[in-house]
Amino acid sequence: AQRVTQPEKLLSVFKGAPVELKCNYSYSGSPELFWYVQYSRQRLQLLLRHISRESIKGFTADLNKGETSFHLKKPFAQEEDSAMYYCALSGSGGSRLTFGEGTQLTVNP
Amino acid sequence: GAVVSQHPSRVICKSGTSVKIECRSLDFQATTMFWYRQFPKQSLMLMATSNEGSKATYEQGVEKDKFLINHASLTLSTLTVTSAHPEDSSFYICSASEGGAFFGQGTRLTVV
Repeated sequence: AQRVTQPEKLLSVFKGAPVELKCNYSYSGSPELFWYVQYSRQRLQLLLRHISRESIKGFTADLNKGETSFHLKKPFAQEEDSAMYYCALSGSGGSRLTFGEGTQLTVNP
Repeated sequence: GAVVSQHPSRVICKSGTSVKIECRSLDFQATTMFWYRQFPKQSLMLMATSNEGSKATYEQGVEKDKFLINHASLTLSTLTVTSAHPEDSSFYICSASEGGAFFGQGTRLTVV
C-alpha cells in the first residue's frame, strides 16, 4: 500500500526565514514524488516533481530513499508563498496519486 | 501547462436529485482522468479512475452506482452523483495527466 505523511498541518514562519515542509512516504516499489500547491481560491497546481530535479519559485525537494522522505525547502520564504502544500506519490507506470494531508504554510511579514 | 476545466464550479441541489459534473482537458487528450473528493480541511481522496472507452475503476468504499462515471471521449469525463443526499455535499475535483497531474478548479456540491 502506498501512503504519504505530512506531519505538520500548520507551519508558520517569518518572511526571509528558511522553510521546510516535511513529507514521508511508504511504497514498496520506485515511486514518483510530487509537491502540489494550492493558493487561496485557486486550483491545485503542480509545484515540482522529483524526477525533474528543478527549482520552482525557489523551492527544491530531494528524494531521500533511505529515509523515504521528500521534504520541500526554500531558503528565504516570501509572503506570497503562503498556501496549502500537498505532497503526493505515484507508483511506477501510472498517474494515480496518493496525497498527504497537506501543510498550510503561513509566511508572516 | 495543460488546462483542465471543470463545470460547474458550484451547484446546489435538492436531496434525491442527481447532479452531473463535467471535466474537460482543453489542450490535450486524456485517456485517463481521476476524480477526487475533498472534505473541509482534509486531503484529496481518490474516488475513481476514469478510463476512456471503458468502465471506471473505483476505490474501495466508493459506491459505483451512486457515483456514475462516464468517459466517452478523450477530452471529457463526467461524474454523476445520483440520488444525492446531504452527506454527499463535498468538494469534487478531477485531474488529468500530461507529464504530471493537472487539476480542475473543483466543484462545490451542496445537497439540501
